[in-house]
Amino acid sequence: AQSVTQLGSHVSVSEGALVLLRCNYSSSVPPYLFWYVQYPNQGLQLLLKYTTGATLVKGINGFEAEFKKSETSFHLTKPSAHMSDAAEYFCAVTAYGGATNKLIFGTGTLLAVQP
Amino acid sequence: NAGVTQTPKFRVLKTGQSMTLLCAQDMNHEYMYWYRQDPGMGLRLIHYSVGEGTTAKGEVPDGYNVSRLKKQNFLLGLESAAPSQTSVYFCASSFTGLGNQPQHFGDGTRLSIL
Repeated sequence: AQSVTQLGSHVSVSEGALVLLRCNYSSSVPPYLFWYVQYPNQGLQLLLKYTTGATLVKGINGFEAEFKKSETSFHLTKPSAHMSDAAEYFCAVTAYGGATNKLIFGTGTLLAVQP
Repeated sequence: NAGVTQTPKFRVLKTGQSMTLLCAQDMNHEYMYWYRQDPGMGLRLIHYSVGEGTTAKGEVPDGYNVSRLKKQNFLLGLESAAPSQTSVYFCASSFTGLGNQPQHFGDGTRLSIL
């Protein structure tokens, strides 16, 4: 069965500092991995996804993530945090089986950006 | 282009009352999903649909029913609301059920059961 673990439910960084949000997955088959962002009182927006090919994936708003099979990780990074990056971030992996493939979400990481 | 629209955005119910949450998408997507989001638990799948006229149970289906009479609409019903169903409900859709397809989300319905 597939699962996702996000380390750190709350992360605080200073504006301009590196953002690193951790995600580890478990999957018995090659995974499809996603990062979503949720701004206050809004739905989830896709930041980026890994399916196949290049292991370094670039997304919107300057975010990127690297798929590391040996470490079963898909950590999200951004070189320089901006105040507008304050939001909750969810890592997700595709779960197979049943009538359709489904997404399994991590518990989320709330990112605070300090001025 | 509205994407995925959920109504209502907020609702307060008393225990035992019933209500229906509506999800509408204008992207001609085949697959639709209902999730609930609770603090510290991420999103959990309640029910989903792989096409008009079909529904299936997800991870936490108890206490909920769904219907997909039209391709663009997916309704979530609570027949007898309980305080444990206080949550934020999200609808999502995708063009196919392939594992590499992202899901598109609505802005959520915040439901409180007193």
